[in-house]
Amino acid sequence: GAGVSQSPSNKVTEKGKDVELRCDPISGHTALYWYRQSLGQGLEFLIYFQGNSAPDKSGLPSDRFSAERTGGSVSTLTIQRTQQEDSAVYLCASSSQGSAGNTIYFGEGSWLTVV
Amino acid sequence: GNSVTQMEGPVTLSEEAFLTINCTYTATGYPSLFWYVQYPGEGLQLLLKATKADDKGSNKGFEATYRKETTSFHLEKGSVQVSDSAVYFCAPMVTGGGNKLTFGTGTQLKVEL
Repeated sequence: GAGVSQSPSNKVTEKGKDVELRCDPISGHTALYWYRQSLGQGLEFLIYFQGNSAPDKSGLPSDRFSAERTGGSVSTLTIQRTQQEDSAVYLCASSSQGSAGNTIYFGEGSWLTVV
Repeated sequence: GNSVTQMEGPVTLSEEAFLTINCTYTATGYPSLFWYVQYPGEGLQLLLKATKADDKGSNKGFEATYRKETTSFHLEKGSVQVSDSAVYFCAPMVTGGGNKLTFGTGTQLKVEL
């Protein structure tokens, strides 16, 4: 597709359940990012993949959060045993290469609500 | 680490008013600087960027100049429109810092007729 595609666009889940959020980056983009946007808060970096390098996981808030990127393309963010504070919009982004100055393109996000 | 300070919103202006949204940053190394915009119900979009000192980024009538000496990247527009109502995010990116954007909290702009 032309842009970063995310699914689902909306997800309501019960506390304690696991959820998977999917991101399909722009074709050919080697860098992929996950951010979280909570109500009343800014955008929080979660994890960054660049090519075949080890991912930068420094932003993951707890060990309940994990992400993988298969074949250098599609990525899945998994949240285990969801908590109410996990409710947020999860944004995926990609860029052509992980260099400063390269534009990062964002998807429209997956809105997660934990009830 | 990197950080961004943006003026708090919401900023409410009348149509055709002059806009300034202040942004200052701290960053290790020599960052590139970005402004992103989020219109109601939409995803984040790049508004403009500047990659070195004294560069001016511009788009859709918005401008921001990279001021290394004051570590600032203030966003300006001479005459705002109702359609400019959105949340604006300032973000530096540093190579070697994981090449990730560090976002401010965002500034909501409301433009009224």
